[in-house]
Amino acid sequence: NAGVTQTPKFQVLKTGQSMTLQCAQDMNHNSMYWYRQDPGMGLRLIYYSASEGTTDKGEVPNGYNVSRLNKREFSLRLESAAPSQTSVYFCASRSYTGYEQYFGPGTRLTVT
Amino acid sequence: DQQVKQNSPSLSVQEGRISILNCDYTNSMFDYFLWYKKYPAEGPTFLISISSIKDKNEDGRFTVFLNKSAKHLSLHIVPSQPGDSAVYFCAASDGLQGAQKLVFGQGTRLTINP
Repeated sequence: NAGVTQTPKFQVLKTGQSMTLQCAQDMNHNSMYWYRQDPGMGLRLIYYSASEGTTDKGEVPNGYNVSRLNKREFSLRLESAAPSQTSVYFCASRSYTGYEQYFGPGTRLTVT
Repeated sequence: DQQVKQNSPSLSVQEGRISILNCDYTNSMFDYFLWYKKYPAEGPTFLISISSIKDKNEDGRFTVFLNKSAKHLSLHIVPSQPGDSAVYFCAASDGLQGAQKLVFGQGTRLTINP
């Protein structure tokens, strides 16, 4: 099992460009999450999907959109990137039966 | 409003000694707490957890203590090893209903010195 995979690992964008971060899990988990990690800020929730077909805003949703494509995949889209979105982005998943979330390796995004 | 706080950004401990990482929370509805460990350029990995009905949970060298009245939890690592050098995040949950969101602290960077 690969667990949670994320692509790409690194990305550099210019202000105003758009991109989609991809996430997939092979653990048959129902819930999926997108976080961003910034120095001194911990992990902050951007969007989450409790189950296939549902998505909800987290703590810092502005400037982002998400799609729960199917049970395995949950993508994060930046429509018009801004320097404030420079961060490391983590995707995570969880089954209904446990509290633990399992994280992917992250995408390091720089917006210039 | 930071609901989960780790007030020590960094901690340095000698190999073989005890490492104690602290975490405070403000939301009395939190009923489950987790610790994650993160190495550079990797995603966080689950380390140990505790339910609010307990005050201690042990797993090998790692023990988590929960003081509900003080809204405080701590992670003890004994003995500390060089491979324990990482950033540690505490996280809290208010139940298994719905999406079960976790709220994370800011993290503490632990350095184990030989």
